[in-house]
This record gives sequence, structure tokens and C-alpha cells, in this order.
Amino acid sequence: GIQVEQSPPDLILQEGANSTLRCNFSDSVNNLQWFHQNPWGQLINLFYIPSGTKQNGRLSATTVATERYSLLYISSSQTTDSGVYFCAVLLNTGFQKLVFGTGTRLLVSP
Amino acid sequence: ETGVTQTPRHLVMGMTNKKSLKCEQHLGHNAMYWYKQSAKKPLELMFVYNFKEQTENNSVPSRFSPECPNSSHLFLHLHTLQPEDSALYLCASSSDLGSNQPQHFGDGTRLSIL
Repeated sequence: GIQVEQSPPDLILQEGANSTLRCNFSDSVNNLQWFHQNPWGQLINLFYIPSGTKQNGRLSATTVATERYSLLYISSSQTTDSGVYFCAVLLNTGFQKLVFGTGTRLLVSP
Repeated sequence: ETGVTQTPRHLVMGMTNKKSLKCEQHLGHNAMYWYKQSAKKPLELMFVYNFKEQTENNSVPSRFSPECPNSSHLFLHLHTLQPEDSALYLCASSSDLGSNQPQHFGDGTRLSIL
């Protein structure tokens, strides 16, 4: 099956720093989502991005589908950005199937 | 507020108990999903329903029994669970299965099996 790998697995930042999270996938996909899971377990949609670049405030994402990777940029990080960031690729195997990566655990310290 | 509501938020049960998890979506979606998130593992798809019909059972043990009475509600009935079933159970919905639309997740039920 498709492999979805995220890097780095863990990241510690000082508040105000910028970071880039990477998601590599091993096969063609229909779409890709980025999620943030906060310390309480809530999974929040960040981006739905099959290709190109999208921006939402301090966050932006870029997917290069032909090269099978996506990047999530976090600028001017805040302590509330802490949590786990997942990318998930969408396969159409007769139904929509989201395959999740293993996540990047981010800790932003004050 | 994601439009997908799960209850209860936390559940502790013994291995011989029977309980149910509930999911309700207010987004007008037709497809609903159950996922399991165990510690230090990626989210795993368990079940998929489209227009109340089950379209996927991802090799889930029979001690987990889903029910979808209508497109807005999804249940996961639990009985004789094992300690390794302790996990966060997440429900999601999407507009339908055919289009490439995003899935929206509830806040999850954190289940602990004693």
C-alpha cells in the first residue's frame, strides 16, 4: 500500500521561530489534507491541498503532486501551535480513503 | 466547532461491559467514518458508511459493531473489548464518497479498557 512519511518526527521551537514540516508519499494521490491535533486530541483541518500553495494566516502549505511531497510552513510560531501535525493522502479506491502519516510532534516553548 | 459531534468525550469500561459511542454531523454530509488512533500509531480507518450503507470494514474485530441509522448519525457499539482497544476513536464525515472533498473530524472519544 501507499506509504506516507513525515519529517521531522519531533520538533522543538522557541516562540516566534519559523518551521517547515514535510510529507512524502509513495504513489499518486487524489488529494492531501494537513491536520493539527491539539493536546486534547482534537483533529483540526488545516489545508485541503491537491497541488499548489495555500495560505491561512501564519500557516501555508505547498503540494507538488508530481514529485509526491507536501510542505507545511509555520511562521512566527506560538505556544498554541504545539501538538501533532498530520498529513493524510486521499485515495479513491472505490471510496475515499485517507491514509495518515505518522505525524510531526511540535512543541513551541515561550 | 467542526460540525461533527462525538459523545462521550471520555469512556472507561471493563472488558465485559457493553457501551456505545455516538457521532452526529450537522454538515449535510452523506459519508461517515470511524477511525482508531492508538498511542504512537497513525490513525487507522475502521469503517465507512455512505448513505447509511456500510462500504468498508477494514478488517475490524467483531467486538466493534457499527450502526448508521441515517446519514447524520453513526454509532460504534462495543462489547467484550480488550485492553489493546484503549485508544482515541474519531468520527469523520465528508460530502460523499465520489468527490474529492475533505473529511471533517469530531473531537473524539478517549476510551480506556480496564
